[in-house]
Amino acid sequence: NAGVTQTPKFQVLKTGQSMTLQCAQDMNHNSMYWYRQDPGMGLRLIYYSASEGTTDKGEVPNGYNVSRLNKREFSLRLESAAPSQTSVYFCASSEAGGNSPLHFGNGTRLTVT
Amino acid sequence: QKEVEQDPGPLSVPEGAIVSLNCTYSNSAFQYFMWYRQYSRKGPELLMYTYSSGNKEDGRFTAQVDKSSKYISLFIRDSQPSDSATYLCAMSGRNSGNTPLVFGKGTRLSVIA
Repeated sequence: NAGVTQTPKFQVLKTGQSMTLQCAQDMNHNSMYWYRQDPGMGLRLIYYSASEGTTDKGEVPNGYNVSRLNKREFSLRLESAAPSQTSVYFCASSEAGGNSPLHFGNGTRLTVT
Repeated sequence: QKEVEQDPGPLSVPEGAIVSLNCTYSNSAFQYFMWYRQYSRKGPELLMYTYSSGNKEDGRFTAQVDKSSKYISLFIRDSQPSDSATYLCAMSGRNSGNTPLVFGKGTRLSVIA
């Protein structure tokens, strides 16, 4: 039982390059989330998907797009990376939205030069 | 005023000490309260989950909610070096629907042997 799996674990991009962060969960959860974590800023929600087929913006969506590919997978795309997007990105899932506890992956460490 | 306030620390205590970690919040609709523990270079993991007011105990950990003061606490008894981590509080309302959890920024704890 892997829980929430994120790939890649590390990535270095040049400004303007694009990439997709992958996330998959094997807990049959309905809701999935993308957060970024920066020193002193805590966890900030980028996008979430309350259920398969729906996505909503979080606190910091600019510069990102998401795709809920199926119930298991939720990807985050950076179309044109900027140094301000240097961060640690966490994917999470929960059985349902709102009150359900989140299960997190171990993060993707992204550096944009 | 932010919805959830949490002192970032760092907090440094000797092994065996009782640790008190706290969060305050402004939204009186919050009913579900969680504590997550995050080790360095890992994703947050759920530590405690409580509903409404009162105490919940799990081994060396006690979660306390005081809704009248809009204040929650996590106590760690007989603290160990393995408790060194960042602790994040999170909360949501009963009728939150799909609205994601609101997180504090986390408190970094070091337990010195």
